[in-house]
Amino acid sequence: NAGVTQTPKFRILKIGQSMTLQCTQDMNHNYMYWYRQDPGMGLKLIYYSVGAGITDKGEVPNGYNVSRSTTEDFPLRLELAAPSQTSVYFCASSPGLTLRAFFGQGTRLTVV
Amino acid sequence: GIQVEQSPPDLILQEGANSTLRCNFSDSVNNLQWFHQNPWGQLINLFYIPSGTKQNGRLSATTVATERYSLLYISSSQTTDSGVYFCAGPETNFGNEKLTFGTGTRLTIIP
Repeated sequence: NAGVTQTPKFRILKIGQSMTLQCTQDMNHNYMYWYRQDPGMGLKLIYYSVGAGITDKGEVPNGYNVSRSTTEDFPLRLELAAPSQTSVYFCASSPGLTLRAFFGQGTRLTVV
Repeated sequence: GIQVEQSPPDLILQEGANSTLRCNFSDSVNNLQWFHQNPWGQLINLFYIPSGTKQNGRLSATTVATERYSLLYISSSQTTDSGVYFCAGPETNFGNEKLTFGTGTRLTIIP
């Protein structure tokens, strides 16, 4: 009963490096999301997808890219990491926008 | 887009006390959700509540969609209830579909 699985749990990047945050879900959900949470703040949407092959920008997409080649996987790519991208990243999925959402355990990223 | 306000922002209670957390929306919302973020950062979906009242053990939630608010009740609180509670509602704004989150209520339960 895995639900939404994110890897890695922690990562430290140097400025200018790139990395991919992995997210996979086994609930056959169409909707998947990437959020970031800065310290003491709420969640801001980075990108979302309503199904395989379909992605769209959220509130704060700059510096990130996504792809959705399968229903299960929704990786988030950071290019040229910057200190402003230091945050906790959450992946979530739901059967639809107005239906119950489930979150992964988060990835804590530090850019130094 | 919709604005989501949660109150109070912080709440410190003794173990065993009851609490009420409130979530106000600037516009009508369908299918509101309540989440608990535990001290380790994990986000757990507590309730998916389009309207009316739902109960799960010591927790219950009521949504009055027509008046644009929801309440989360925690009875006989325990230290494991500590964390941040978020409410969230779906929003479609200029084709941007997302869950809009409130800024949260930080609950601290003291033994």
